Amino acid sequence: DAGVIQSPRHEVTEMGQEVTLRCKPISGHNSLFWYRQTMMRGLELLIYFNNNVPIDDSGMPEDRFSAKMPNASFSTLKIQPSEPRDSAVYFCASRGQKETQYFGPGTRLLVL
Amino acid sequence: GENVEQHPSTLSVQEGDSAVIKCTYSDSASNYFPWYKQELGKRPQLIIDIRSNVGEKKDQRIAVTLNKTAKHFSLHITETQPEDSAVYFCAANYGNNRLAFGKGNQVVVIP
Repeated sequence: DAGVIQSPRHEVTEMGQEVTLRCKPISGHNSLFWYRQTMMRGLELLIYFNNNVPIDDSGMPEDRFSAKMPNASFSTLKIQPSEPRDSAVYFCASRGQKETQYFGPGTRLLVL
Repeated sequence: GENVEQHPSTLSVQEGDSAVIKCTYSDSASNYFPWYKQELGKRPQLIIDIRSNVGEKKDQRIAVTLNKTAKHFSLHITETQPEDSAVYFCAANYGNNRLAFGKGNQVVVIP
């Protein structure tokens, strides 16, 4: 199994641009989580899907952030427009029937 | 929601000594407590977890203990090695099996 796959691994963009992060969960997992990691705030849960349905998006910082899961094998996190304070590492994680969450390699985002 | 706190924030140990990291949680309904290890520039990876029906679990040089009454759990690393240097995150589950993470502990093993 390839594990959770994320793309791109690194993204450098200018303020105001749209950023799209992608995630492919582990096959057969029915829950998907998007996290943001910064030194100041640690690992923050942004949004959580169960069976492709968003269950809790209370962690999404503001309307500039949106996430979709059109099918069981793909999810996107979009930031539009991006701002320098969005610079962080964004992790996707998936979970199957047991409680364990498996993390992807992350996307390192730098907004200039 | 759940609030998880870790202590100390940074821990330095001599190679071969033991390291202990403590976490506290707030939600008495939490029943799953994983520990993740994150090396620099890499993803968090599960190293051990414990469920509320046991008080201790061991896997080679690492062990986790749980005190549900006091709402705290600890990670124990024995015979530390340089490759144990990393940031360690504890977590506790809450509502629909989401995880609340602590801020992490930087462990430095001095050769």
